[in-house]
Amino acid sequence: NAGVTQTPKFQVLKTGQSMTLQCAQDMNHNSMYWYRQDPGMGLRLIYYSASEGTTDKGEVPNGYNVSRLNKREFSLRLESAAPSQTSVYFCASEWGGADNEQFFGPGTRLTVL
Amino acid sequence: GESVGLHLPTLSVQEGDNSIINCAYSNSASDYFIWYKQESGKGPQFIIDIRSNMDKRQGQRVTVLLNKTVKHLSLQIAATQPGDSAVYFCAENLWIQGAQKLVFGQGTRLTINP
Repeated sequence: NAGVTQTPKFQVLKTGQSMTLQCAQDMNHNSMYWYRQDPGMGLRLIYYSASEGTTDKGEVPNGYNVSRLNKREFSLRLESAAPSQTSVYFCASEWGGADNEQFFGPGTRLTVL
Repeated sequence: GESVGLHLPTLSVQEGDNSIINCAYSNSASDYFIWYKQESGKGPQFIIDIRSNMDKRQGQRVTVLLNKTVKHLSLQIAATQPGDSAVYFCAENLWIQGAQKLVFGQGTRLTINP
């Protein structure tokens, strides 16, 4: 099993450009999450999907949209990138329900110039 | 909002010594906590968790202690090895609107000296 995979690994954008970060998991997990991690900081939740067909805002959703394409895939879109969105983005998944381990992908390092 | 915080941003220990990483949390209703290890360039990796009905849990070379009275938890790593060098995060797990939400602390960078 590959676990949680993310593409791309690195990306450089100019201010105002758009892009979509892809995430897929092969563990048949119900819940999926997008986090961002700024230098020297912990992870902050952007959006999550408790189950296929549902999405909800996390702590820092402004400037982002998400799509739960199917049970396996959860994408994060930046419609008009800003320098403040320069960060490392992590996708995670879990079975759902209470007290379950979240499994994280390797991250996408995004720089917005 | 409530947050999880760490006492020290960096910790250096000698190889073979024990390491103790501390974490304070502020949400008294929190009932589940997780420690993650993050190596450079990688995503966080689960180390150990503890529920609020416990005050101690042991894994392989790691022990987590939970003190609900003072809202504090710690991660103890025994006989620290070079491979333990990483940033360690505690996370508070909140159950909101049908999903778990992890609230991460800032992290402590553990450096192992040979």
